[in-house]
Amino acid sequence: DTGVSQNPRHKITKRGQNVTFRCDPISEHNRLYWYRQTLGQGPEFLTYFQNEAQLEKSRLLSDRFSAERPKGSFSTLEIQRTEQGDSAMYLCASSSEGYEQYFGPGTRLTVT
Amino acid sequence: RKEVEQDPGPFNVPEGATVAFNCTYSNSASQSFFWYRQDCRKEPKLLMSVYSSGNEDGRFTAQLNRASQYISLLIRDSKLSDSATYLCVVNKGNDMRFGAGTRLTVKP
Repeated sequence: DTGVSQNPRHKITKRGQNVTFRCDPISEHNRLYWYRQTLGQGPEFLTYFQNEAQLEKSRLLSDRFSAERPKGSFSTLEIQRTEQGDSAMYLCASSSEGYEQYFGPGTRLTVT
Repeated sequence: RKEVEQDPGPFNVPEGATVAFNCTYSNSASQSFFWYRQDCRKEPKLLMSVYSSGNEDGRFTAQLNRASQYISLLIRDSKLSDSATYLCVVNKGNDMRFGAGTRLTVKP
């Protein structure tokens, strides 16, 4: 399968714990995006990488959130001190320059 | 006002019907436009790009009106498998903005 992959697919954690999600983009894509989606809403942009550089961050991305793409390939999104409001689907997408974004299956986070 | 607005629906139509979805956007500098389809508990998947001249892909037709900042999607001869949420997406540079989606259910 050469599509975007994300791990884990589901994560249940207790409030206050840290969680980390991984995204592996389509191999030839240099752009990688993270989104958050809650029920009944469209995906909301969180952050964007071009190769290893993080070029844009949404104001939704509080200081508890951090994302990396150390070698310009896979990316991780970490949420520290999780809160119940962080419960959502976290989607990763990748693209080549100027082309459409292709999404991974998402990581569904539940904070209890 | 939301940057991308869609009628949430739901639209419930019989098989074979023609259905149209509308979307408006607020940023006049938006550069590219898409329709994505999202099935329940799945990721969004690109349905089609939307070009200024309008474009068609089989039973699907997309239109863009830049002056009115309005995008539409027309589905002809609806199939049961068309049941999904349709997301309008507006892009400026690397900034993709999604609408909340319009839910379609096609019934036998």
